[in-house]
Amino acid sequence: QVQLQESGPGLVKPSETLSLTCTVSGDSISRYHWSWIRQAAGKGLEWIGRIYTSGTAHYNPSLSSRVSMSVDTSKNQLSLKLRSVTAADTAIYYCARYYDSVESNWLDPWGQGAQVTVS
Amino acid sequence: DIQMTQSPSSLSASVGDRVTITCRASHSIRDHLNWYQWKLGAGPKLLIHAANNLQSGVPSRFSGSGSGTDFTLSISSLQPEDFATYYCQQSYTTPYTFGQGTKLDIK
Repeated sequence: QVQLQESGPGLVKPSETLSLTCTVSGDSISRYHWSWIRQAAGKGLEWIGRIYTSGTAHYNPSLSSRVSMSVDTSKNQLSLKLRSVTAADTAIYYCARYYDSVESNWLDPWGQGAQVTVS
Repeated sequence: DIQMTQSPSSLSASVGDRVTITCRASHSIRDHLNWYQWKLGAGPKLLIHAANNLQSGVPSRFSGSGSGTDFTLSISSLQPEDFATYYCQQSYTTPYTFGQGTKLDIK
């Protein structure tokens, strides 16, 4: 079964770029679409965006000017970059498989999350 | 953006109780509604997709219903492992949005 693990620096300075990697195991990353989601402390979940197998990405308009996603099929990894971060970007960042069917779409499974603090 | 509102925001119950959590969308999302369970230190776990479809491997005590703007998640007989936070999510249109969560704890 597919398993996901996020990794990256836990501390990022304001104005710098947050970079995270999600390693996928159990299947080929090129078979599925993927999403990133984040959760700030005491707040709800925020969808960051999704990336299709084609490489086409769609981002939350609230972050679209600062975010980019990509997939490295040779390493079975996806990546997230968020530029010009502020304290408001402090959150747990999750990657998840974006399952798109005829009837609907959903996120499953998720990684365990990576805490990123901007300070 | 479509706003998702859950109620209650917190709920205390006992093992064996039946509980219901409500999620309301600001616009019709047909049946494009998913439910997740979240526990500290882990990623959210999909329970229900497309409003009423039980995800494979999820116990049958979980069920979902609703369409349009009003949805419910029910747990028929609470087990100790069910005490967690529950989120609804609309998958009708981007940006996908989540409810603020319902924390279920032991009475």
